[in-house]
Amino acid sequence: AQSVTQLDSHVSVSEGTPVLLRCNYSSSYSPSLFWYVQHPNKGLQLLLKYTSAATLVKGINGFEAEFKKSETSFHLTKPSAHMSDAAEYFCVVSKKGDDYKLSFGAGTTVTVRA
Amino acid sequence: NAGVTQTPKFQVLKTGQSMTLQCAQDMNHEYMSWYRQDPGMGLRLIHYSVGAGITDQGEVPNGYNVSRSTTEDFPLRLLSAAPSQTSVYFCASGPGLGTKNIQYFGAGTRLSVL
Repeated sequence: AQSVTQLDSHVSVSEGTPVLLRCNYSSSYSPSLFWYVQHPNKGLQLLLKYTSAATLVKGINGFEAEFKKSETSFHLTKPSAHMSDAAEYFCVVSKKGDDYKLSFGAGTTVTVRA
Repeated sequence: NAGVTQTPKFQVLKTGQSMTLQCAQDMNHEYMSWYRQDPGMGLRLIHYSVGAGITDQGEVPNGYNVSRSTTEDFPLRLLSAAPSQTSVYFCASGPGLGTKNIQYFGAGTRLSVL
């Protein structure tokens, strides 16, 4: 079984400052890990995916995440927040090889202050 | 390029009514799935399919029925709607196993059961 805990339900940052969204996972198997973003009243869009090729994963729109097995974490970062980054972010885990069965975290809402 | 198309976008039902949420994808994906999104709970898997004629239950299947007669379509049926089924429903599809397998989400159907 696998599960995800997003440590912050809401994060507020100023435009131009770094963003950090924290995610811890639990998995009985070798995991695939994802970050998805959902803008208001929109569907979900994949930001990035970890599959074990590299522990630092670069995604779209300047986001990246680092897989740390010893800490069972997969935190998402961006060096400089933009107003368009205001959205809800989901950390997601699946069993590697069963990537069609996703387990979602509860989500982190990001607000960006001008 | 339509991707994953869900209809309707909004629906209001009375308790006990039945209805079908439609999902179609034009990417020739093997995998399709249905999730529901409730506040503070992320997305939860309802049913999924790994190919035409093959379906299986996810985390929260009770009260829902699915079938997959074609690769393109994966409808979700509510047999007798209940207020607890008020939610936003997302359909997703994915190309298959391996590192390139990611899921593409539709824009969602917002359902209210009175």
